[in-house]
Amino acid sequence: EAGVTQSPTHLIKTRGQQATLRCSPISGHTSVYWYQQALGLGLQFLLWYDEGEERNRGNFPPRFSGRQFPNYSSELNVNALELEDSALYLCASSFRTGRTEAFFGQGTRLTVV
Amino acid sequence: DQQVKQNSPSLSVQEGRISILNCDYTNSMFDYFLWYKKYPAEGPTFLISISSIKDKNEDGRFTVFLNKSAKHLSLHIVPSQPGDSAVYFCAATLRTGANNLFFGTGTRLTVIP
Repeated sequence: EAGVTQSPTHLIKTRGQQATLRCSPISGHTSVYWYQQALGLGLQFLLWYDEGEERNRGNFPPRFSGRQFPNYSSELNVNALELEDSALYLCASSFRTGRTEAFFGQGTRLTVV
Repeated sequence: DQQVKQNSPSLSVQEGRISILNCDYTNSMFDYFLWYKKYPAEGPTFLISISSIKDKNEDGRFTVFLNKSAKHLSLHIVPSQPGDSAVYFCAATLRTGANNLFFGTGTRLTVIP
């Protein structure tokens, strides 16, 4: 069974540009979560999507946005990139109900120069 | 505001000995706790979890203890093996049904052969 897949693995952008990161959840999972791991910090919650809707949002500015498609895959968009957006962006998926653990992808390393 | 804290950024343990990783939280609404392990260039992988109605959960070499009154949990690894060397993240979720996880900043465990 395929795990959570993220693309691209690495992404280099210049300040002010937009970045789009993609995530495909495990088959059967309807919830997708996005996390940011900046250097030296823990995983900071960005967004949670379930059944195509944004369910919860972390303490990030509006230029961080995303969506979930009918097949439950998801995109994270970061507009007007700033140097401090450089981080590892992790996507995770889980079933919507019950206390099941979230499974993570390998992440997208975004570098803003 | 870091609601889940791992105050030890690193820990070194001799192979065969016990590793104890600690985690503190501030939000009394958290009702489910998880530990994740992360190797370099990989996403975090689920290790073990515990519900707030329990005070101990064991899975092979891994045991998680929860002290609700102290808002503290710990992960015990016995015996420690070199393959356990990784960054360990503690995570928690709220009773409200919001599925997103609140993560600590991680503890890097090094098991010395």
